[in-house]
Amino acid sequence: GENVEQHPSTLSVQEGDSAVIKCTYSDSASNYFPWYKQELGKRPQLIIDIRSNVGEKKDQRIAVTLNKTAKHFSLHITETQPEDSAVYFCAASYNAGNMLTFGGGTRLMVKP
Amino acid sequence: DGGITQSPKYLFRKEGQNVTLSCEQNLNHDAMYWYRQDPGQGLRLIYYSQIVNDFQKGDIAEGYSVSREKKESFPLTVTSAQKNPTAFYLCASSPLGGANEQYFGPGTRLTVT
Repeated sequence: GENVEQHPSTLSVQEGDSAVIKCTYSDSASNYFPWYKQELGKRPQLIIDIRSNVGEKKDQRIAVTLNKTAKHFSLHITETQPEDSAVYFCAASYNAGNMLTFGGGTRLMVKP
Repeated sequence: DGGITQSPKYLFRKEGQNVTLSCEQNLNHDAMYWYRQDPGQGLRLIYYSQIVNDFQKGDIAEGYSVSREKKESFPLTVTSAQKNPTAFYLCASSPLGGANEQYFGPGTRLTVT
């Protein structure tokens, strides 16, 4: 089955700096890569996703890049703000059954 | 916060008791999922269902059971056979037919002592 590795497990940045979180996946059939943000005690919420026919996608301060050959994808957050502090999860799936395999999560701390 | 709900938010049980967690969605989604989250860890799939009266085991199904009698409901029972049931349980739903966003419920924090 699919295996998703996520790094780093914790990331501390100064407000205004950029943050990058990286994930690798094992199944070359995977074609959908969402990123979820989870605040303490809350539900995960989708912040951005990318499909395998696209190499990069942006939404304001957030961007995701995908390298299918190397089987890795990354989340980039620019101009970080304290409210970006949360745990971020990457995931991967292929069309059949819409099954998601999640990475272990990254705790992002943005210091004011 | 509408769409997918879970109850209760907090649940306390004694060891050896079965407990059922509720999950309801009004999004008309065909697929529903149960995940377990332990402190500082990712989400692990317990069970999933793509259609009424049908469900499949996920990665950590041992000690759990589910039913899918209605499209909008997917309750999870944590049985006494689950060795370490204390965790945060998340239910999710999604449309079928390709890669789609999974929408999560607010979660139930289960504590077994």
